[in-house]
Amino acid sequence: SQQGEEDPQALSIQEGENATMNCSYKTSINNLQWYRQNSGRGLVHLILIRSNEREKHSGRLRVTLDTSKKSSSLLITASRAADTASYFCATGLILTGGGNKLTFGTGTQLKVEL
Amino acid sequence: SAVISQKPSRDICQRGTSLTIQCQVDSQVTMMFWYRQQPGQSLTLIATANQGSEATYESGFVIDKFPISRPNLTFSTLTVSNMSPEDSSIYLCSALEQGSSYEQYFGPGTRLTVT
Repeated sequence: SQQGEEDPQALSIQEGENATMNCSYKTSINNLQWYRQNSGRGLVHLILIRSNEREKHSGRLRVTLDTSKKSSSLLITASRAADTASYFCATGLILTGGGNKLTFGTGTQLKVEL
Repeated sequence: SAVISQKPSRDICQRGTSLTIQCQVDSQVTMMFWYRQQPGQSLTLIATANQGSEATYESGFVIDKFPISRPNLTFSTLTVSNMSPEDSSIYLCSALEQGSSYEQYFGPGTRLTVT
């Protein structure tokens, strides 16, 4: 299985601090996506990084990918209480018939305190 | 990005009954997916639903238990059959847009409790 393992499982920080979450996986991938989930609701797509990319930014988010180490990190800068959520990485494999099969990591629960 | 809706948002069902979950996308999509998220767990892919063909099920999931329909490019249903308390989960629909960069979007989920 290429399910990702995320580290840490839980993270508690103060508002304004940066939060870093790590994702490791086992096999080759075509892309990696990060998602946010609030209180067991639907997933919000945050960012996709392709296997030939090393770093990507979107607003306060910075994602890195190191395919040699089979790992990715998500950095949230200047965190806010509204960032409190579970964050999941998902590794993607492009299928022969088209499409992209995602395999999800175990998730990191982030709590941002005022 | 595609906007995905699901119905119902939640339901409480009795053991032995079946529930059909509907997933509607606001644009035509190539592939739709159904995931299960058991309490406190990550997401597990149940099956991939392609229009005009049988769904492709992942290991551990079978058509008799989770029949899926995909009548057109914007709609799919997942039925959870002969439910037991172990089926209590959040069921999420997901879609991949045509010609996309492989960004995959999710619906709000259906929270199912089986008593």
